Amino acid sequence: DIQMTQSPSSLSASVGDSVTITCRASQTINNYLNWYQQKPGKAPKFLIYATSNVQSGVPSRFSGSGSGRDFTLTINSLQPEDSATYYCQQSYGSPLTFGGGTKVEIK
Amino acid sequence: QVHLQQWGAGLLKPSETLSLRCAVYGGSFSGHYWTWIRQPPGKGLEWIGEINHIENHSGSTTYNPSLKSRVTISVDTSKNEFSLTLSSVTAADTAVYYCARGLLSSVVLPSIKYLDSWGQGTLVTVSS
Repeated sequence: DIQMTQSPSSLSASVGDSVTITCRASQTINNYLNWYQQKPGKAPKFLIYATSNVQSGVPSRFSGSGSGRDFTLTINSLQPEDSATYYCQQSYGSPLTFGGGTKVEIK
Repeated sequence: QVHLQQWGAGLLKPSETLSLRCAVYGGSFSGHYWTWIRQPPGKGLEWIGEINHIENHSGSTTYNPSLKSRVTISVDTSKNEFSLTLSSVTAADTAVYYCARGLLSSVVLPSIKYLDSWGQGTLVTVSS
């Protein structure tokens, strides 16, 4: 299985800050990387596919980048509603696997 | 706009069989990857498996090797539903189980799969 490692596991930032979450794959996965947002007690919400393509309806402050093994999710101008746990997920190999999650808290 | 609604028994005893169903409302049922994912309390997400339903063909399934011997995913096209069964459950199977729709995009080649719509989740607890 392809292992996905996220860092940090949690972070705290202020409204208006820019935050970056890192996701590293155990092998190259080209651009086969997706991102999801999960709020407590809710199902994950799909945000970004193929590294950098933002799903329709997702605010433009969310962006993704990377290639090969290393990927990032950036949230510009952090908003209170962005408080959540974020997961990366690879679709390069089977089984699909997820990172361990990054919890974003608002100061 | 697709909507997934799931249901099933929430409390099982060890060795029993978990059974969940997911109904799909809106959008096409054919041509997508109908998927199950689970999340143990306070932990991350684990992909269980999927069924790729193509019109007029029986669905092809792919399972996580870690669960393959105990998992079955099937579809009922007459009801636009798909289901999950997991046999011989133990406490380690306690989790919130989600159904989801997998889509393919050709923005990268060959296509990339992503999970764009999710059910509300069902907490399944295994306890004697």
